[in-house]
Amino acid sequence: EPEVTQTPSHQVTQMGQEVILRCVPISNHLYFYWYRQILGQKVEFLVSFYNNEISEKSEIFDDQFSVERPDGSNFTLKIRSTKLEDSAMYFCASSGRSQDYEQYFGPGTRLTVT
Amino acid sequence: AQSVTQLGSHVSVSEGALVLLRCNYSSSVPPYLFWYVQYPNQGLQLLLKYTSAATLVKGINGFEAEFKKSETSFHLTKPSAHMSDAAEYFCAVSKYGNKLVFGAGTILRVKS
Repeated sequence: EPEVTQTPSHQVTQMGQEVILRCVPISNHLYFYWYRQILGQKVEFLVSFYNNEISEKSEIFDDQFSVERPDGSNFTLKIRSTKLEDSAMYFCASSGRSQDYEQYFGPGTRLTVT
Repeated sequence: AQSVTQLGSHVSVSEGALVLLRCNYSSSVPPYLFWYVQYPNQGLQLLLKYTSAATLVKGINGFEAEFKKSETSFHLTKPSAHMSDAAEYFCAVSKYGNKLVFGAGTILRVKS
């Protein structure tokens, strides 16, 4: 069964450093998403991406964040200068037009900022 | 704006007992509703979804949920709990299949 994959599973970085979280969505999907879950809190939407551009973003997704689909298979989330409060589990999701809007989630990347 | 309220951050049931996890939503348009399950240190797995077809939706692992527009509810049930059902459950709503807005989650504990 096709699945969304994410790398790395765990990333530790120092405050102020740049990080790139990588996702490989399901191959025939067209819509891509990033969500995050701070420990003990609810899952929050960050950004959605369709047709090579951002279709919607939350207030969390400020200028420190960017997304890219560099090669038609990967979907990345970059945080330019990490803050302590960026520590969270980051989930990538994808959906296809014919999937009744079902979003398939990856296993997540746990980002720890020290 | 859309929102989801899950009543009860923790629910404890005995093995074999009925599971009932409550979800109420707020939406200005006909919603799409979802239940996801998260096992420890894993991602989110879709249990079931409502997308304006049948109001009683059956999902995986014996779970089902009923969309009740008059009550703005989408409660998740399972007739008989198994130990393997212990996990965190999230209700989510979306508008026209766009971003998901999640509830705070309910941790289900199953006692032997």
